Amino acid sequence: NAGVTQTPKFRILKIGQSMTLQCTQDMNHNYMYWYRQDPGMGLKLIYYSVGAGITDKGEVPNGYNVSRSTTEDFPLRLELAAPSQTSVYFCASTPPRNAYEQYFGPGTRLTVT
Amino acid sequence: QKEVEQDPGPLSVPEGAIVSLNCTYSNSAFQYFMWYRQYSRKGPELLMYTYSSGNKEDGRFTAQVDKSSKYISLFIRDSQPSDSATYLCAPSGGGADGLTFGKGTHLIIQP
Repeated sequence: NAGVTQTPKFRILKIGQSMTLQCTQDMNHNYMYWYRQDPGMGLKLIYYSVGAGITDKGEVPNGYNVSRSTTEDFPLRLELAAPSQTSVYFCASTPPRNAYEQYFGPGTRLTVT
Repeated sequence: QKEVEQDPGPLSVPEGAIVSLNCTYSNSAFQYFMWYRQYSRKGPELLMYTYSSGNKEDGRFTAQVDKSSKYISLFIRDSQPSDSATYLCAPSGGGADGLTFGKGTHLIIQP
């Protein structure tokens, strides 16, 4: 199993541009999450999904959108990128019986200038 | 209120030392207490978890939870340079709504 994969690894955006961060997992996990990690800070939850067609906001959802059309994929969309969205973005998945055991992808480093 | 406090360090100790990493939290609904390890420029990985109060040992690592004082600890015995990483505590109520992470403690083990 590849686990949780994220693309791209790095990206530089100009203010006002849009992009989609891709996340795929091959472990048949129902639950998926998007976090952001700013320097010297812990991870903050952006959005999460408990299954295909179901998404919900986390702690810091403003400026982002998500969709979950399949069990495997959970893309994160940034509309009108702002410098405050410069961060490292991590996708994670977990089986429903062990919601605390999150498997993380390698992250996407995004810079907005 | 979801809040987890953790000293960001850096904490630098010589190889072979016993390391103590700590967190405090405010939400009494937390029942699961996780420690994640994050190497530089990598995603976090689950190191250990404890359910409710008590101790749990896994090799050189011991996790300790005191729910009465809302205090979480991770002890590392015979620390190795490969233990150098950021350690994040993450308590949870066990639901699907994600984890609440501390800021992480940056640990450096000097050879």
